[in-house]
Amino acid sequence: DTEVTQTPKHLVMGMTNKKSLKCEQHMGHRAMYWYKQKAKKPPELMFVYSYEKLSINESVPSRFSPECPNSSLLNLHLHALQPEDSALYLCASSQVIGYEQYFGPGTRLTVT
Amino acid sequence: AQSVTQLDSQVPVFEEAPVELRCNYSSSVSVYLFWYVQYPNQGLQLLLKYLSGSTLVKSINGFEAEFNKSQTSFHLRKPSVHISDTAEYFCAVSEGMYSGGGADGLTFGKGTHLIIQP
Repeated sequence: DTEVTQTPKHLVMGMTNKKSLKCEQHMGHRAMYWYKQKAKKPPELMFVYSYEKLSINESVPSRFSPECPNSSLLNLHLHALQPEDSALYLCASSQVIGYEQYFGPGTRLTVT
Repeated sequence: AQSVTQLDSQVPVFEEAPVELRCNYSSSVSVYLFWYVQYPNQGLQLLLKYLSGSTLVKSINGFEAEFNKSQTSFHLRKPSVHISDTAEYFCAVSEGMYSGGGADGLTFGKGTHLIIQP
């Protein structure tokens, strides 16, 4: 099974809200990723977790806060987002960093 | 650091005709190469991968890609396309175990929109 699940599928939030995106995989993968994808663009890497340790992408604003509660789960906490943060947020996992990644279906986020 | 170039942003092809989507990469070390397909409003699906071994890799739905180290290319081909192949195709590269153990996701090309015309 090469399935990565993401919830919710769609999310609409105001600029003062706090929300969380969730990602889960049961493939025993030890690397998990968050990507942001704008329309008609390739995915942009936001964060990488390897063996549940975070590798920070310094270009990501602090209003995005990742969390890895265990080896199967990955969260992305959102706070005080801007309209330009509206995008498809993709979660992915791989056996270890560098190997092929398996993507979830994504969460379509709209910030109003 | 690695980079990926997909020169064609859009490729229109008639149904049942052959197609080639071009991908060139740049890296100072050995790389792993991937093709992903994205249908509208969906996530990315792994189509093909080259990690090592045979330079010609094939998918279950008729696509194939060949790793050419001297030309630093990993072009995607299909001998006969179907209307259902209409999608966005992304070439991606990873330096894998050569990345030094630091944060390293995939580096994607800008994507090629494959349009199948009846």
